[in-house]
Amino acid sequence: AQSVTQLDSQVPVFEEAPVELRCNYSSSVSVYLFWYVQYPNQGLQLLLKYLSGSTLVKGINGFEAEFNKSQTSFHLRKPSVHISDTAEYFCAVTRQGFQKLVFGTGTRLLVSP
Amino acid sequence: GAVVSQHPSRVICKSGTSVKIECRSLDFQATTMFWYRQFPKQSLMLMATSNEGSKATYEQGVEKDKFLINHASLTLSTLTVTSAHPEDSSFYICSARDPAPLGTQERRYYNEQFFGPGTRLTVL
Repeated sequence: AQSVTQLDSQVPVFEEAPVELRCNYSSSVSVYLFWYVQYPNQGLQLLLKYLSGSTLVKGINGFEAEFNKSQTSFHLRKPSVHISDTAEYFCAVTRQGFQKLVFGTGTRLLVSP
Repeated sequence: GAVVSQHPSRVICKSGTSVKIECRSLDFQATTMFWYRQFPKQSLMLMATSNEGSKATYEQGVEKDKFLINHASLTLSTLTVTSAHPEDSSFYICSARDPAPLGTQERRYYNEQFFGPGTRLTVL
């Protein structure tokens, strides 16, 4: 079975500073990896996904993530955050063949002026 | 991208009543839909996988008689919370998977679930 660990429950950062949200996964088979963002009282929006190919994945809103198979990580990064990036971020994994997504516990990104 | 809607967005009901939540894929046909539950400040927990024209597959620990799922068409799945109690209060989110086959221009959606905006259920 797959599992996801997001070690940071909350990450405070100042506006225009860089940020990294950490995600580690566990799986005995090849996986697909995703990052979603959730704004208050809303559903999830896909930021980016890794299926295959280049390990550096670029997504929407200036976010990117790097798949590191040896470290089983898929950390999310943004070089300069905005106030509007304040939200909950979820890392998710599924095994190839795609059925169920397994979500991490989420990281709340708090961007202050 | 593909759009998934949920109705209602918010519902308040009395204990003992039943509540139906609809999940629709607006611009694609979804043979598979998923229902999740999210408690405050927690992650999404998969409740069940809904397949069009067949019975839903429930995750371990989810009461199938309490959470009735119907996927009668390729664009609509419903979740009915029967005899709701305060502990059923939660945020319910559905997602729909576009089963576009590999090799087509829709391939970019193949491995993606599209999420609805969620339904906030409060049971008094």
